[in-house]
Parts: sequence; C-alpha cells; structure tokens
Amino acid sequence: DAGITQSPRYKITETGRQVTLMCHQTWSHSYMFWYRQDLGHGLRLIYYSAAADITDKGEVPDGYVVSRSKTENFPLTLESATRSQTSVYFCASLAGGNEQFFGPGTRLTVL
Amino acid sequence: QKEVEQDPGPLSVPEGAIVSLNCTYSNSAFQYFMWYRQYSRKGPELLMYTYSSGNKEDGRFTAQVDKSSKYISLFIRDSQPSDSATYLCAMSAKGGYSTLTFGKGTMLLVSP
Repeated sequence: DAGITQSPRYKITETGRQVTLMCHQTWSHSYMFWYRQDLGHGLRLIYYSAAADITDKGEVPDGYVVSRSKTENFPLTLESATRSQTSVYFCASLAGGNEQFFGPGTRLTVL
Repeated sequence: QKEVEQDPGPLSVPEGAIVSLNCTYSNSAFQYFMWYRQYSRKGPELLMYTYSSGNKEDGRFTAQVDKSSKYISLFIRDSQPSDSATYLCAMSAKGGYSTLTFGKGTMLLVSP
C-alpha cells in the first residue's frame, strides 16, 4: 500500500527499556519527521531528516535517537524509556511545498 | 509567549453553523500558513495551504491570513457532524522543505 505506515500502533513498555518505533514511506520523499503529541503541548518536533544519513534535532530531542540508512525508513529509538515519554508519536514525510503527510501514529505507554 | 497560540476549545456548534477557528503568532517571518484536520486517533491531514496574506477558498472551507495582525483564520460554512475533529494551524518561514510550527489545536464538535 502506498503511503506512510507506522509500527507498532500500540506499545506498552516499562521504564528503562529500549523501544524502537518504525516508520516507512513508499513515496521516496526526502524529508521525514518525528513528532510527539501530548495534551496541552500539541505536536512537537523530535527529530527530522533531510535525506538518508542526514538527521537533525527538533524541539524535544532528549532521550531519543534516530537513524536513516534508507530513504524510506526512519526509525525512532527510546534508548531508556521514561514515563514522561508516554505519548502519541507521529511520523511524517514531506512532499514539498510544506505539505507534510502524517502516519497513523503509535500510542506508547511507559509504565 | 509561544510562537503560535490557538484556543484548545472544545468549540460546540449545531449542524449548519458557520465556524471560525483562529490562531495568532508572534514570528513575523512566517509566510506559509496551513490548516490540518485531525480526527480522533488518526494522524493530521492537510486541509488548507496559503502563502502570505489574503484568502483562499476550497468548497466549504476558507482560510484567511492577516499578516499585519499576525492572525490566521479558518472558516467552515454549513458545518457537518463529519467536520468534528481537531484543527491544527501550522506555519513556516520558508517554502519548500522546512520544519513547521504547530498550534496546539482546537477541538470542534458539530452536533446534528
């Protein structure tokens, strides 16, 4: 299926565990983004990538790591999950002209 | 002061009403303005895109930008229950490839 997919859609983990959220897009868009969405804060940019092997920090990067070895994939890793990282995570890719296409989101709960 | 301010709502209206959603911003460099719609438990989707000041109309939706007041609006005419969603404004100083600054979103509820 064309578009942008995220996996898993739901994840429950424990404090201190490593978690990786996956994002895959089929359009070959150069730019990809990771956001978290929390009540009272809206969408906040965690990391973004302009191309394979090029990544940069957003507004709230602490505690997260990203990689981009292939254009179509942009995984987000929480190296040691904390309760404050409980959130809904959205991946997006950019078609150009500022139009970002968002994935369906991953709901992460850290116990 | 946050760069983009948006009333979180909820805004409740009856079906058929005209809805006005608004954002204010502080960064005068913003030139590109977007409205995203987000249904419950879904990702945001682009609804309207405008550059600089002026109006843009698409069906029942009209986006309005007033750069002198640093104020943008989204109007929905003949609102429908299917318009019930959270509406996020987003802005950028650059066209093409750039990051966006989002408002926190306004929840809209349209009752039949």
